[in-house]
Amino acid sequence: EIVLTQSPGTLSLSPGERATLSCRASQSVMKNYLAWYQQKPGQAPRLLIYDASSRATGIPDRFSGSGSGTDFTLTISRLEPEDFAVYYCQQYGSSRTFGQGTKVEIK
Amino acid sequence: QVQLVQSGAEVKKPGASVKVSCKTSGYTFTGYYMHWVRQAPGQGLEWMGWINPNSGGTDYAQKFQGRVTMTRDTSIRTVYMELSRLRSDDTAAYYCARDASRVLDYWGQGTLVTVSS
Repeated sequence: EIVLTQSPGTLSLSPGERATLSCRASQSVMKNYLAWYQQKPGQAPRLLIYDASSRATGIPDRFSGSGSGTDFTLTISRLEPEDFAVYYCQQYGSSRTFGQGTKVEIK
Repeated sequence: QVQLVQSGAEVKKPGASVKVSCKTSGYTFTGYYMHWVRQAPGQGLEWMGWINPNSGGTDYAQKFQGRVTMTRDTSIRTVYMELSRLRSDDTAAYYCARDASRVLDYWGQGTLVTVSS
């Protein structure tokens, strides 16, 4: 099973700042089959990024994904108030596993 | 528009079973696999498995094999997830989520299952 480790656990930032979230896999993710989801309290997750760097339909371009192999990054270029949430990475190259999440909170 | 509507909250005793439904609309039911993902209170997401609504074929996470059964009823466009031999650590929100080329693009609203004596 591929284990995904996200860092940091919590990111404290102000609106307008840049957020950089990391997701590291225990082994190479086949075809960079890596997705990012956003989850707000009391809501289901929402797909942001798939195939490591492709934005899902309707996702603002301030969200971008990068990386390959075992190291992946989600970047939010300028945080908007609605971006404060928990973010999960998920690999779908070998079965499915999720990272433990990164909480982006208001500083 | 695509909609996944899940059944309501459940309270079960340890050792019992629970069956959660996910009724779909707005797309070709047999054209997309459906996954189940759970989330314990205050915790992260945990993948449980998927079902192919066309064939009924399934793939379960190793952790749940022997305890989980995913089925579907094509006549009413609904998938089901049944978890047996419930324990207190099965207390969680259970989500169905549609698979679009391997990623989960639409999610149900979640069903809270509480296991308590």
